[in-house]
Amino acid sequence: SAVISQKPSRDICQRGTSLTIQCQVDSQVTMMFWYRQQPGQSLTLIATANQGSEATYESGFVIDKFPISRPNLTFSTLTVSNMSPEDSSIYLCSVEGPGGRRGELFFGEGSRLTVL
Amino acid sequence: GQQVMQIPQYQHVQEGEDFTTYCNSSTTLSNIQWYKQRPGGHPVFLIQLVKSGEVKKQKRLTFQFGEAKKNSSLHITATQTTDVGTYFCAGTPTGGYKLSFGAGTTVTVRA
Repeated sequence: SAVISQKPSRDICQRGTSLTIQCQVDSQVTMMFWYRQQPGQSLTLIATANQGSEATYESGFVIDKFPISRPNLTFSTLTVSNMSPEDSSIYLCSVEGPGGRRGELFFGEGSRLTVL
Repeated sequence: GQQVMQIPQYQHVQEGEDFTTYCNSSTTLSNIQWYKQRPGGHPVFLIQLVKSGEVKKQKRLTFQFGEAKKNSSLHITATQTTDVGTYFCAGTPTGGYKLSFGAGTTVTVRA
């Protein structure tokens, strides 16, 4: 299985500020996924981050609001820019399982953001 | 677009009883996955089903993929307090690649 570390685990942020979330995986992976889980809701894919190319964003999410970096095969960052209270969510980093466990998603512990 | 729907949204169960949660897709799926998220935790993969009519068991949990590959169910027998959490199904449309999550069924257990 993949071990995923996310930082910060939680934060309280002021409106209008930006926060960068880091995701570190213990193995090299081609794709890393960033999900958002609003309070009491399901998981919504924000974007897919590939090393060496621009992230692919899902409908409703734009690079200016959620810039993503993927400098190598084990690390990615997601920035939540110009935050508003509506951005209060859990942000989850995810990767697919290696080898025969492809398709199975492993999630980090999540970063719980509260925007005041 | 593809939608994955789950019912019920909430399930309140007496300890020791059985219950079932259902997942339905508007389109045919190539696979269906189930995840469990404990309160305050992150989603954890439980199982993946890929074949029409497939049934898999994990101890007290039984997972089924419908014959038409458009629905799935999770049945838990003799519910325990450790079963508390939200169970999500997630499916990939046939010919597609994007995994879509259902809204989840949140389970509480009365001791």
